Formats: sequence, structure tokens, C-alpha cells
Amino acid sequence: DVKVTQSSRYLVKRTGEKVFLECVQDMDHENMFWYRQDPGLGLRLIYFSYDVKMKEKGDIPEGYSVSREKKERFSLILESASTNQTSMYLCASRSDGDSPLHFGNGTRLTVT
Amino acid sequence: GQNIDQPTEMTATEGAIVQINCTYQTSGFNGLFWYQQHAGEAPTFLSYNVLDGLEEKGRFSSFLSRSKGYSYLLLKELQMKDSASYLCALSGNTGKLIFGQGTTLQVKP
Repeated sequence: DVKVTQSSRYLVKRTGEKVFLECVQDMDHENMFWYRQDPGLGLRLIYFSYDVKMKEKGDIPEGYSVSREKKERFSLILESASTNQTSMYLCASRSDGDSPLHFGNGTRLTVT
Repeated sequence: GQNIDQPTEMTATEGAIVQINCTYQTSGFNGLFWYQQHAGEAPTFLSYNVLDGLEEKGRFSSFLSRSKGYSYLLLKELQMKDSASYLCALSGNTGKLIFGQGTTLQVKP
């Protein structure tokens, strides 16, 4: 079974802090994704990566950056957290375009 | 661009059949996924359609019409545990996977 692990289940940060959300997958998948999920808005793609050191913007990249230094790890960075970034963040991976996404359990981030 | 539309909420009775529709508009299409998400949990994969037609998997079936930009998920013999959100997602030729807002299904006894 594919395992996608997100480092924290719950996180509380203050406005202006730099926040790192970490995601690791153990199936040698090429593609990794970061989504946020908000009530009434569904899952929205922030960034994705199709290879080490490669990244592509999703639909809502503003206020976020990402890092993929190793194939198994994809980090989401909030340079200066704001209250409108309070959300559930979901990491996912897949091997190619016809494969299903495998999701981590999510990180519920609260910015106060 | 891409646009995906699903009903927000549906209610059905235990033992019944329910059809959840998904319509989409996209400039590049590889396939369409359906996911199930229980409250507080991560989405889990249900089905993937690339070609037109019906794919059956036990109590769940998924249909795709590429020419009409239309898919549905059919759930038969509904059980209480089927109460969840059902997410339709487009896989395009850019590598992105874009989700609809999801349909929350409530199954009542």
C-alpha cells in the first residue's frame, strides 16, 4: 500500500510566522501535489511537482511556495502566514497521469 | 480553463440507488476520477474513466460521456456507511488533477 505521510495532523501558528508543511511518500511516485480544502470551495490545487526540483503553480499559489529536493519529499511553505490561510492542507502523490492520487491524512492549520 | 459542476447535497434512503452527476468543461482531457471522502478523513479513490461508457465495480459504477462533458457515479443498495462526500476530478494534459466542489450524500434509514 502507498503511504503518504504528513508531518503534523494539527498546527497552530501566529500571523506572520513562516510555516513548513512536510509530506513524504514511500512509493517512488513522480508526481506530488498540495491542495487546501475549505467548506463550500472543495479541494483547490496550490502547487504540484512532476520531478525533483520541478514545480508548477496550481490554481491558488499566492502566498505559498514549495520545495522538492528529494523525490519522496514535497514541502509546502507559507512565507508569512495569514488568517485566510487557515485551512485543511492535503498532500497527495501518484505515479503518472492515469494513476489515482493517494492522499495523506491532512494537516489542519489554524493561523491566529 | 477548466470548470467542474456537481450538486452540493443529496439525500437518499438506505437500500436505494442514487446517481451523482458531474458536468465539466475543459480544454485538455485525459480522464475523470471519482473519490469518496468521509468527514474528517482523506479522499479515497473509487473509479477512473478514460473512455465513454459504464465501469462497474461492485455496488459502485461510473459513467463517462466525453462528447457531452458528463459523468455520473451510481451507488446501488445504499448503506449508512455510504454517507460521505463524493468528489469528481478531471485529469488534464497539464499533469494537474482538478476537483469539483464535491457532493455531500446523506443516507437515511
